This record gives sequence, structure tokens and C-alpha cells, in this order.
Amino acid sequence: AQKVTQAQTEISVVEKEDVTLDCVYETRDTTYYLFWYKQPPSGELVFLIRRNSFDEQNEISGRYSWNFQKSTSSFNFTITASQVVDSAVYFCALSEEGTYKYIFGTGTRLKVLA
Amino acid sequence: DVKVTQSSRYLVKRTGEKVFLECVQDMDHENMFWYRQDPGLGLRLIYFSYDVKMKEKGDIPEGYSVSREKKERFSLILESASTNQTSMYLCASSLRGISYNEQFFGPGTRLTVL
Repeated sequence: AQKVTQAQTEISVVEKEDVTLDCVYETRDTTYYLFWYKQPPSGELVFLIRRNSFDEQNEISGRYSWNFQKSTSSFNFTITASQVVDSAVYFCALSEEGTYKYIFGTGTRLKVLA
Repeated sequence: DVKVTQSSRYLVKRTGEKVFLECVQDMDHENMFWYRQDPGLGLRLIYFSYDVKMKEKGDIPEGYSVSREKKERFSLILESASTNQTSMYLCASSLRGISYNEQFFGPGTRLTVL
């Protein structure tokens, strides 16, 4: 069965700290896609990154980085030198090849304090 | 700039009322989705449409129906609103191709049923 677990419900950090958001997934498929979305207070989910199951290379985009490890079924997201504008709810999602459905985790609320 | 818009940000209705939530996208996307977001439950798919007049049930379709008469517009209908349908409703769209393509989200409608 498909499942996405974001065990951290809420994290608070002080500005400039690094923070890692955990995502653990379950799937029996060999081809699948993983996503991260950000939901700021305005409500609209914003796409951050997509990874397919055959690409385990880590990715860095500015202060954001993602660590995909198939061996532990994890797709973790790290924000370096966090800023107040990073405060949001972050969702991890899984989609299996040939399906339209995303399976979303329950989200992690990140609060960055000035 | 790509856009998914939803007709209302906040809506208050009474039990038993018929409620229409409208979603419009300007990206010529084939796929459109309606989700419900509740604390601790993440996003759950209500209905999905992959073409005009085509629809599929998601995980929680009970108490809801949908309409897609034009490609850019996808409506969610609560035939007889109940208090347990108080929630945040999110619309999304994506290109045909299903699992790989990211979904673009609207700002959400926070519905309260009294």
C-alpha cells in the first residue's frame, strides 16, 4: 500500500538555523515520483521539487537541498540558514507510475522565529 | 504567470444548503482535482477529472459531486451541506501525463457549515 509519513508535526527554529524535514514513504512500485510542496499562510501549495525513483542524486537549489535514499525510503528536505519567509507547512507527496493520485503526507509546520 | 483561481476564499453556509465551489485554470491543463485539507490528515482527494465531462472518484467522494463542462472550469458541489464538511477545499490542475507532472494549486476555499 502507498503511504507517506511526515512524523514531525511542527518544528520551530530560530532564524539562520538549519532545519531538516523528514519524509518516509511506502510503495511496492519500482517506478514512482516524489514531490515536495510548500504551503505559506496564503494557502496556495507551491511546487518545490520532483524526483523519480531512478534518480537518487541529491539536489540543491539555493538554500534548499533534498536527500533521496531508496535504501531507507526517505526523501528529506533541508533548509540551510532558515529565514522567516520559510515559515509554512511543507508537504511531501508520492505518485506511482500510471496513476493520477498523489498520496500526501500530513505535513510539517515550520516556524522560523526572528 | 500560471493561475488556478477559486471563486471564494471564505464561505459560510447552513446545514442542508447546496454549495458550489468553483475552480478555473488558465493553463489549458487536462487534469483537474479537488482536495480537502484537514488538520492532521493532510490532503485527501475528493474527485479527479481528466477531460471535459469526465470524472473519477477519489478517496472521499461521499457527499460530493463534480461538474466539468469546460476544460478550464471544475466545480465541486455539496448537494446538502453538513457540519462535517467544514474544511479547507483546494483545487489543482496538471498536464495530461498523470503521475509525473506537478500539480498547480489554487489558494483554497475555507468552508464553514453551521
